[in-house]
Formats: sequence, structure tokens, C-alpha cells
Amino acid sequence: DTAVSQTPKYLVTQMGNDKSIKCEQNLGHDTMYWYKQDSKKFLKIMFSYNNKELIINETVPNRFSPKSPDKAHLNLHINSLELGDSAVYFCASSQATGSNEKLFFGSGTQLSVL
Amino acid sequence: DQQVKQNSPSLSVQEGRISILNCDYTNSMFDYFLWYKKYPAEGPTFLISISSIKDKNEDGRFTVFLNKSAKHLSLHIVPSQPGDSAVYFCAASFQGAQKLVFGQGTRLTINP
Repeated sequence: DTAVSQTPKYLVTQMGNDKSIKCEQNLGHDTMYWYKQDSKKFLKIMFSYNNKELIINETVPNRFSPKSPDKAHLNLHINSLELGDSAVYFCASSQATGSNEKLFFGSGTQLSVL
Repeated sequence: DQQVKQNSPSLSVQEGRISILNCDYTNSMFDYFLWYKKYPAEGPTFLISISSIKDKNEDGRFTVFLNKSAKHLSLHIVPSQPGDSAVYFCAASFQGAQKLVFGQGTRLTINP
């Protein structure tokens, strides 16, 4: 039973396309996140949601739109994909929103934009 | 402007010896620090944490040391085992931040 699952694991697409990555957690957590691992390997936060409410939007281009239909799901939709969007995207969850909350990560989605 | 840095991209250690992974930070507001471990094709998993009110926290073979004046923390693994081969991420946060700031990771390889 995977605690945080995201799909697809790999996504290869052409520039200009629109794609979505889905994330679900079965831990009963209130907070969910999207992190991006860039080419320099840093893990950087993109968004966080607490009980379906947007908490953090870390100056991400508005081509990226997170959607949280319920607190167990946080999907990421990306419009007009660009080469620079190629990265690994990690979904994560935590029990609550706080500076010392432990994050539980999904296994990542490797996005390649050609 | 990377507030958390792990300046060694890789480290190779012999099985049974001590592994020391280092992390530096620049933001003096950080008051909580964590280490995550990541295997290939998996997400990072929490390993150990330390609050800024402490300078050491130990959990089995893993010990994290915090030097606030130097804005430096380190993770010691002793003795190192082959299963410890992974990428280790340092992360930091502060009260009210509601997010973790991660370093770029250090790939640890334990040689038999």
C-alpha cells in the first residue's frame, strides 16, 4: 500500500503540449505539496495545499496550475510545456502545515519536454 | 540564492567506516533541520532531524550535529553499511515558514 502515489512515473512530451500529473495520499494528511528537482538537483517547493486551500505558491509560472479536489489529492496541470520544464516532480504530504512537519514523498515523475 | 548547500556531490566510504555528510546554510532564521535519504526511482524518506535548541541528535547509527555559529550541520553514519548507499538531502525550515528548503544532495556510496 503506497502512502503517496503519483502518476505517471515517466512523461515524455513535445513542447507546447498540456499535461497533468496526479497525486494521491492515503495517510490522512491535511497538507500536500509539489516539489521540483531541477537540473542542479535542488528540491524546490512549488505549491502547498492545506485541506484543499492554497498555502504556498512559490512564484511558479501560471502555466502550472495545481488542483486539489479533496485533501487526499493534489494534481498538477502544466500548460504550454517548455523545454525548461523538464525535471523530476515530487508530490509530498504532511500531517499538518508547520515548520517541523515530516514530509512523505511520492516516487517522482520524470518529465521530459522535447 | 541557495540557502541550503551540500558542497560535496558525492562521497565514497568503505563498509564499516564512518560516513560524514556536510551541509551549510545561510539563513540564520532556520531553526529546524532534517536529513532525507533517497534511493533511485524512489522519493526521499525522512531520516533524522534536529532542532536549533540542540547541537546533537542521535538515532541508532545516525547522528546529526548542528553548529549554529558556523551555520553548518553534519550527518554521521557509523558503521556504514551497503544499504546506506543513497542520495542524502539536507533540509531546513523556520517557525512560520510552512516549507522546507532543501540542498542539492550528496550521493553516498558504501564500498564492500
